[in-house]
Amino acid sequence: DSGVTQTPKHLITATGQRVTLRCSPRSGDLSVYWYQQSLDQGLQFLIQYYNGEERAKGNILERFSAQQFPDLHSELNLSSLELGDSALYFCASSVSPTGTYEQYFGPGTRLTVT
Amino acid sequence: GNSVTQMEGPVTLSEEAFLTINCTYTATGYPSLFWYVQYPGEGLQLLLKATKADDKGSNKGFEATYRKETTSFHLEKGSVQVSDSAVYFCALRGNYGGSQGNLIFGKGTKLSVKP
Repeated sequence: DSGVTQTPKHLITATGQRVTLRCSPRSGDLSVYWYQQSLDQGLQFLIQYYNGEERAKGNILERFSAQQFPDLHSELNLSSLELGDSALYFCASSVSPTGTYEQYFGPGTRLTVT
Repeated sequence: GNSVTQMEGPVTLSEEAFLTINCTYTATGYPSLFWYVQYPGEGLQLLLKATKADDKGSNKGFEATYRKETTSFHLEKGSVQVSDSAVYFCALRGNYGGSQGNLIFGKGTKLSVKP
């Protein structure tokens, strides 16, 4: 158990809908990362937050957004869903936003868009 | 930009066989290098890491050496077990600029070990 929790574990929804994925980092970790794992693209970095502020953006679509709340949990919002958004979404946390500190991954949320 | 290339497999080995999974990278500067493992139905776990040239990361019998001259970080294990069956990801983290924190992953190599 990494200490990072993600809910829900599975999500099935229809095209055009909007969903919210939730992540709680390990106790004491200030930095949260979101990654998408799909068969086509592999594991891709989406976005990073540190202590409530956006720190870095990767290949995140404009239909996707995220935020980190004062209690440090984070939410990833996916809207106008398309079939191609079906993927496993991972959240990871670390103590620091930089350097060699390990990132601890949650179990992921599997999103299926039908 | 930064990128990671690893052999995609799948790789099927018999128990006690020698394992090598190749990984090469392209990066500016001196990235940190990682191997992560994903067991079926689970998230990623850090297997080992190396933060500078010639460093050797090791854990659970797995080893990888950071080779700057060949830009490689190949994963090896002398004798695999059935319990090593998983997907292995090579990753790097740049140590400069605005993207210092995120990991860049290879496509993953699925390893199946038969008894």
